[in-house]
Amino acid sequence: DTEVTQTPKHLVMGMTNKKSLKCEQHMGHRAMYWYKQKAKKPPELMFVYSYEKLSINESVPSRFSPECPNSSLLNLHLHALQPEDSALYLCASSQGRGSKETQYFGPGTRLLVL
Amino acid sequence: EDQVTQSPEALRLQEGESSSLNCSYTVSGLRGLFWYRQDPGKGPEFLFTLYSAGEEKEKERLKATLTKKESFLHITAPKPEDSATYLCAVQAYYREGAQKLVFGQGTRLTINP
Repeated sequence: DTEVTQTPKHLVMGMTNKKSLKCEQHMGHRAMYWYKQKAKKPPELMFVYSYEKLSINESVPSRFSPECPNSSLLNLHLHALQPEDSALYLCASSQGRGSKETQYFGPGTRLLVL
Repeated sequence: EDQVTQSPEALRLQEGESSSLNCSYTVSGLRGLFWYRQDPGKGPEFLFTLYSAGEEKEKERLKATLTKKESFLHITAPKPEDSATYLCAVQAYYREGAQKLVFGQGTRLTINP
């Protein structure tokens, strides 16, 4: 089973709202990722957690705040977003045990910021 | 700097018309090349990982090959359900369990019945 789940599937929020995206995997993977994808563009890496510690932050604005409560869960807290933040937000995971690994993606959350 | 270029950007084929998608890469030491399929509004679906030149992998109508400078995704006798965007990526960075992929822009494939 290579399933990564994400909730919600769709989210509409105003620029003053606070919301959270959730990602879950039960494959025993120890690395989890957040990506942002705009229409007709490839995914762009935002954050990587490895063994529940933030390992990579691709200079993402502070209005995006990641959290890894445990090895199966990854959250992305959103606050004071801008309309240009509207995109498909993807979560992925990989084993985190060696350099020859594959990332498995979730279905994504479609975010619209009004 | 690691770079991935995919061609063509878009490809239209008739059902049953075989073709190939190209992924050219420049990377300081290949540690893995990945092919994904992505349907509109959905997350990328893993297809293949290739690690060394000469390696080939097959799945149904798809076959991926790898040389020292490029990878090809061959599609044999495609069906309309093969229509999707195909993404190629290389591993650019790995440290303590965290992996960074560099993606190409993708090839949008349309198979007409």
